Amino acid sequence: DVKVTQSSRYLVKRTGEKVFLECVQDMDHENMFWYRQDPGLGLRLIYFSYDVKMKEKGDIPEGYSVSREKKERFSLILESASTNQTSMYLCASSSALDGILSRTNNANEQFFGPGTRLTVL
Amino acid sequence: AQSVTQLDSHVSVSEGTPVLLRCNYSSSYSPSLFWYVQHPNKGLQLLLKYTSAATLVKGINGFEAEFKKSETSFHLTKPSAHMSDAAEYFCVVLVGGYNKLIFGAGTRLAVHP
Repeated sequence: DVKVTQSSRYLVKRTGEKVFLECVQDMDHENMFWYRQDPGLGLRLIYFSYDVKMKEKGDIPEGYSVSREKKERFSLILESASTNQTSMYLCASSSALDGILSRTNNANEQFFGPGTRLTVL
Repeated sequence: AQSVTQLDSHVSVSEGTPVLLRCNYSSSYSPSLFWYVQHPNKGLQLLLKYTSAATLVKGINGFEAEFKKSETSFHLTKPSAHMSDAAEYFCVVLVGGYNKLIFGAGTRLAVHP
């Protein structure tokens, strides 16, 4: 059974703390993603990785960094947490597309973890 | 730029009545489109996806969606709502390479007896 796990379901941190959110997938997927989910805004992509040690900025990377040292693990780091980073964080993974261009329309499903609800006080 | 717009933030239906969740997309070429569902305290799950093979796409739990290029729409429907359908639904478009997705703002579906 496909599985994406996240290290914590709930997390409370203080402003200025360094925060690590961990995500592990057991499907040998090449691609991994970090999103944040806020009411009325849907999911917004923070960072993604298409290979070990490779990373790309998403739509809202400011205040975040990521690390992918192993294929199965993708970490999201908040260098100095702020109250506006209070949110639900979702990790996802997918296998690589057959071609680089999405015009092949052979999009592969992203599998999501249960999410981490982070509160920054 | 590619984007999706979900036209309703909340939809409320009675059990046994049809469901319609509306989604419009913006894309410079033929897009790949998805619907995901998120039940309370559960992860996101893929309902169905459109990748240009057929305009009417059937998904899980009796849901289906029709791709209409002339209307740039990809509305999600179900003939008869069930209480277990109460959840948040996201319309999603694939952009660029590496399987990157853009999510709509979501539609919360309530089903009452």
